[in-house]
Amino acid sequence: DAKTTQPNSMESNEEEPVHLPCNHSTISGTDYIHWYRQLPSQGPEYVIHGLTSNVNNRMASLAIAEDRKSSTLILHRATLRDAAVYYCILRSRTQGGSEKLVFGKGTKLTVNP
Amino acid sequence: GAVVSQHPSWVICKSGTSVKIECRSLDFQATTMFWYRQFPKQSLMLMATSNEGSKATYEQGVEKDKFLINHASLTLSTLTVTSAHPEDSSFYICSANRGIYNSPLHFGNGTRLTVT
Repeated sequence: DAKTTQPNSMESNEEEPVHLPCNHSTISGTDYIHWYRQLPSQGPEYVIHGLTSNVNNRMASLAIAEDRKSSTLILHRATLRDAAVYYCILRSRTQGGSEKLVFGKGTKLTVNP
Repeated sequence: GAVVSQHPSWVICKSGTSVKIECRSLDFQATTMFWYRQFPKQSLMLMATSNEGSKATYEQGVEKDKFLINHASLTLSTLTVTSAHPEDSSFYICSANRGIYNSPLHFGNGTRLTVT
């Protein structure tokens, strides 16, 4: 499985932008980059995904490097509710057609009031 | 939005008993469901992939006879932890896929299993 590398933890202040980096140097041409986040004692929640172009949605923006070996999740104005573990995941399709989602260690984001 | 319901949210059982966890997709048909396990302060570990009407595919190191998975319909998958032991205590999470390539996965809120 392709792997991703993220910092273990990051801190931000409320209402400031947050840039969460992810390295995925072994990404293949058909892998999509997905981001999920997990609040304590809850299941993960989908945030955003992309292939090559930058993506925006109501939760966040995803900036993808031109060589696709890294990406950055951008929270434009962090709130206390954004404190969570953020996972950057490559969505791979196996030979059998299933689409496993393999989680790395993620980045624990702390938002200070 | 798509909702995945997981039940129970927590369960305490005695060592040697079996526990069944249900995962339901409430407003869509899930051709594939995934089961994860998460120990405290660790990431999610994929246990198995469950396809409706066929046998589950287990990840390396996961005992299929201990963690029985049944995906009887397009909206329900169950995970049964058989002969549970304290080391099986963990947070179990399911997720469901609509079957459209690259569509986001929807996760249940997890089941906290404590084996005494």
